Amino acid sequence: IQLTQSPSLLSASVGDRVTLSCKGSQNINNYLAWYQQKLGEAPKLLIYNTNSLQTGIPSRFSGSGSGTDYTLTISSLQPEDVATYFCYQYNNGWTFGGGTKLELK
Amino acid sequence: EVQLVESGGGLVQPGRSLKLSCAASGFTFSNYYMAWVRQAPKKGLEWVATISTSGSRTYYPDSVKGRFTISRDNAKSSLYLQMNSLKSEDTATYYCARERTSFDYWGQGVMVTVSS
Repeated sequence: IQLTQSPSLLSASVGDRVTLSCKGSQNINNYLAWYQQKLGEAPKLLIYNTNSLQTGIPSRFSGSGSGTDYTLTISSLQPEDVATYFCYQYNNGWTFGGGTKLELK
Repeated sequence: EVQLVESGGGLVQPGRSLKLSCAASGFTFSNYYMAWVRQAPKKGLEWVATISTSGSRTYYPDSVKGRFTISRDNAKSSLYLQMNSLKSEDTATYYCARERTSFDYWGQGVMVTVSS
């Protein structure tokens, strides 16, 4: 299964509602996770099984979707959210998307 | 606290071998699948290998199948990645990760550079 993330680069302002997209080449059956990677750090799990928030992750992060189309939403962008975000499917093999780089406008 | 600490990276010539290690602590290692994930410089993430709790089942993408071998020692809470016939395209930071529905904890990564 191939994952396509869009956009590849997103500029937004503090307080904005931000939506990142991830589209699979086949049905992912909700086995979709989202990771945040800050510069020079290891990836951090944000969301698993489409919409389950990992322990310790702020509630401004949420996930949704079904079938082939999934979304990560940040309800109110904070400066510390500047990072690259990767989606990941584990329904059929293990595949990462190419990433969306989120920067402040 | 879950901790994963990788070691064994470095500079290696094409065609040579290298073995990475990952020391786990803070959880019952033998209860979890474990994996290696890599990231080439300024690139995205690529899953490299997964191993079952007992070590009896292993999984690899085509890009490393036949060259890389994942293994574990549950008594030592350690994960390994034996990398043979290394190529320049194997240059990356290699992360050890715990699997529970997804990769829920990651190590800090270890750099492997394949160059003559």
